[in-house]
Amino acid sequence: NAGVTQTPKFQVLKTGQSMTLQCAQDMNHEYMSWYRQDPGMGLRLIHYSVGAGITDQGEVPNGYNVSRSTTEDFPLRLLSAAPSQTSVYFCASRRTDTQYFGPGTRLTVL
Amino acid sequence: SQQGEEDPQALSIQEGENATMNCSYKTSINNLQWYRQNSGRGLVHLILIRSNEREKHSGRLRVTLDTSKKSSSLLITASRAADTASYFCARGAQKLVFGQGTRLTINP
Repeated sequence: NAGVTQTPKFQVLKTGQSMTLQCAQDMNHEYMSWYRQDPGMGLRLIHYSVGAGITDQGEVPNGYNVSRSTTEDFPLRLLSAAPSQTSVYFCASRRTDTQYFGPGTRLTVL
Repeated sequence: SQQGEEDPQALSIQEGENATMNCSYKTSINNLQWYRQNSGRGLVHLILIRSNEREKHSGRLRVTLDTSKKSSSLLITASRAADTASYFCARGAQKLVFGQGTRLTINP
């Protein structure tokens, strides 16, 4: 199993641009989530999904959209990038209580 | 913020010594988890302790939970250079809430 994969690993955007961060898992987990991690901080939950077609907001959802059309994929869309969205983004999937994290996407917004 | 408090924020010890990290929280919990993050990598699950448990072991890791004090501690015994990482506590069900982490450095 590849586990949780994320693409791209690095991305630089200009303010106002939009993009999609990709996340996929091959463990058939129903629950998937997106977090952001700012320097010296823990992870903060952006959005999560408990199954295909079901999504909900986390702690910091503003500026981000998600959809879940399949069990495997959970993309995160930045609608109009802002410098405050410069961060490292982690996707995770979960079976019971244990979360499995992807390697992260480092995003810089200029 | 709902994030818990972890202390110390940073800890530097010699290889072979024990490392203790603490996590406090404000709301009631069903369980509490600990994760490790190596520099530039994703988080890896270490151990989960349920609210009806007081202590749990996994290899060189020992986790304690005191629900009356709303606190947990992670002890790493006989530390190794490979234990150098950041350690986070996390709680919650649908919405997992992470602490700010303890940055542990093991000096050879």
